[in-house]
Amino acid sequence: EIVLTQSPGTLSLSPGERATLSCRASQSVSGNSLAWYQQKPGQSPRLLIYGASSRDTGIPDRFSGSGSGTDFTLTISRLEPEDFAVYYCQQYGNSLPYTFGQGTKLEIK
Amino acid sequence: EVQLVESGGGLVQPGGSLRLSCAASGLTFSSYWMSWVRQAPGKGLEWVANINEDGSEKHYLDSVKGRFTISRDNAKNSMYLQMNSLRGEDTALYYCARGGRTVRGLIIGNWLDPWGQGTLVTVSS
Repeated sequence: EIVLTQSPGTLSLSPGERATLSCRASQSVSGNSLAWYQQKPGQSPRLLIYGASSRDTGIPDRFSGSGSGTDFTLTISRLEPEDFAVYYCQQYGNSLPYTFGQGTKLEIK
Repeated sequence: EVQLVESGGGLVQPGGSLRLSCAASGLTFSSYWMSWVRQAPGKGLEWVANINEDGSEKHYLDSVKGRFTISRDNAKNSMYLQMNSLRGEDTALYYCARGGRTVRGLIIGNWLDPWGQGTLVTVSS
């Protein structure tokens, strides 16, 4: 099983600032099969990034994903008020089960 | 627009059973892998099971193997999760989500999108 470790657990920032969220895998994620999801309170998760760096349709370009192998990053270039939420990474490559990170809570400072 | 609607959750005693359903619309349901993902109250996301396009391939989280069974009925655009021998740790909001497609033996695009709104399963005496 691939264990995904997200850091930090909580990130306190202000609107307009840059957010950098990390996801580290216990072993290499095949084909960079790494996705990022956003979840707001009381809502279902929403896909932001797939394939480590491809934005889903309709996702603002202030969201970007990067990384390969075992180290991945989600960057939000300039935080908007609606971006404060919990973010999860997930690997969906050749290794079952399809694990999630424990989440990073992005909160308003 | 793709829509996934879960149903079937509720309160059940430990050792009991429930059958969850996921009704899909707005997509060619038979062309996609489908998954169940759960989220315990106040906790993170946990993938539970998935099933391929024709139902011939299924995978499970170790902790639910032998207790949960995933299935689908492509004629009804629906997926199911039969949950037996339920335990307290199975208490969660259960989401269904669309996965990828099998192309020449490879699973392509197996990220989860979209997700349904979830159905709550509570296992308690």
